[in-house]
Amino acid sequence: NAGVTQTPKFQVLKTGQSMTLQCAQDMNHNSMYWYRQDPGMGLRLIYYSASEGTTDKGEVPNGYNVSRLNKREFSLRLESAAPSQTSVYFCASSVRAGFGTEAFFGQGTRLTVV
Amino acid sequence: AQSVTQLGSHVSVSEGALVLLRCNYSSSVPPYLFWYVQYPNQGLQLLLKYTSAATLVKGINGFEAEFKKSETSFHLTKPSAHMSDAAEYFCAVSREGSQGNLIFGKGTKLSVKP
Repeated sequence: NAGVTQTPKFQVLKTGQSMTLQCAQDMNHNSMYWYRQDPGMGLRLIYYSASEGTTDKGEVPNGYNVSRLNKREFSLRLESAAPSQTSVYFCASSVRAGFGTEAFFGQGTRLTVV
Repeated sequence: AQSVTQLGSHVSVSEGALVLLRCNYSSSVPPYLFWYVQYPNQGLQLLLKYTSAATLVKGINGFEAEFKKSETSFHLTKPSAHMSDAAEYFCAVSREGSQGNLIFGKGTKLSVKP
């Protein structure tokens, strides 16, 4: 019963490098999300995908791109990493995108950009 | 605009003492409210959810929260703290409209002293 799986769990990048964070869910959920967590800031939404084939910007989308590969998978790409993108990244999913729906979270990816 | 305010970034209690974590929200529509818990180096886990069915909501691990519309509050309580309750706790409100994502507070770190 894996739920939401994120890879990798840890990553160190040099400024300017690119990378893709992977996320997969096995709960047959329609909606998926990417959040970043910074100390004292809570979680902030980067991008979300309400359903397969759609993606939308959240609160802090600059410097990121996403791909909803299929119903199960939603990836987050950093094209040119910056130190300001040092953070813990969480992928989440929900049954649907709708008012009142709870989200289920992965274990997180801890990213450091040096 | 919707928002969540958690009073106190750090709360410390003794084992066996009452736990009270404060959350106030702002919403122009009747809200859906959530409490999540994050144990060290893990993802977020849903503790409980308010859906307007009852003002007192019981969650996992002995936690409960009471919705008070007049005070725009949704405080989390547990009668007797256990060492295993040490974690960070996040209050969240469901974003209005069809997006369905969550707006998080900045979190409260709970320490439990033996």
